[in-house]
Amino acid sequence: DARVTQTPRHKVTEMGQEVTMRCQPILGHNTVFWYRQTMMQGLELLAYFRNRAPLDDSGMPKDRFSAEMPDATLATLKIQPSEPRDSAVYFCASGFGLSMRDTDTQYFGPGTRLTVL
Amino acid sequence: LAKTTQPISMDSYEGQEVNITCSHNNIATNDYITWYQQFPSQGPRFIIQGYKTKVTNEVASLFIPADRKSSTLSLPRVSLSDTAVYYCLVGAGGATNKLIFGTGTLLAVQP
Repeated sequence: DARVTQTPRHKVTEMGQEVTMRCQPILGHNTVFWYRQTMMQGLELLAYFRNRAPLDDSGMPKDRFSAEMPDATLATLKIQPSEPRDSAVYFCASGFGLSMRDTDTQYFGPGTRLTVL
Repeated sequence: LAKTTQPISMDSYEGQEVNITCSHNNIATNDYITWYQQFPSQGPRFIIQGYKTKVTNEVASLFIPADRKSSTLSLPRVSLSDTAVYYCLVGAGGATNKLIFGTGTLLAVQP
């Protein structure tokens, strides 16, 4: 049963520290999404990649957030420096899409719950 | 840009049919409409996807009118385990590749 995996599942850190979240997409999927979920804002798309190239990262604060795909089996989301307002659950999802605009089925990971003190 | 609107919550009883509507007035011509289900402490899970008219799978049906400015997720004969938050997802439209999740509808199924 193929699944998206995310590490760590929980992270507590202090303001100013660097945070790195990792995602392993389902083998064969060519699209990776990063979302942030909070009670106030709901599910927000931060960025997504297709074939390792960024398709959209307009939802991501560029000054402190960065998303990369070093290879097809690993996606990373970094926050540096972290702030208390970054506390949220961060989801990674993967899917297989052919065109630039299709909203292909996304398979979500279990999420990383981040708490910044 | 597209904006999606859903009811915040709905109540139902076991065995009833539930219809949840999402409005997406500015959906782009080539964008699909996708619905997801989310349980507490889990990531969203795909339910159904469609482009126009009606789509049905083993768990739900999706109705999309001709103008595609809204869509209705239909859950037949809900059970207690269908209590969850339901989201619609569409493209943001325009020249962007951005995707927009709706605000979510909390469905509470009672015995």
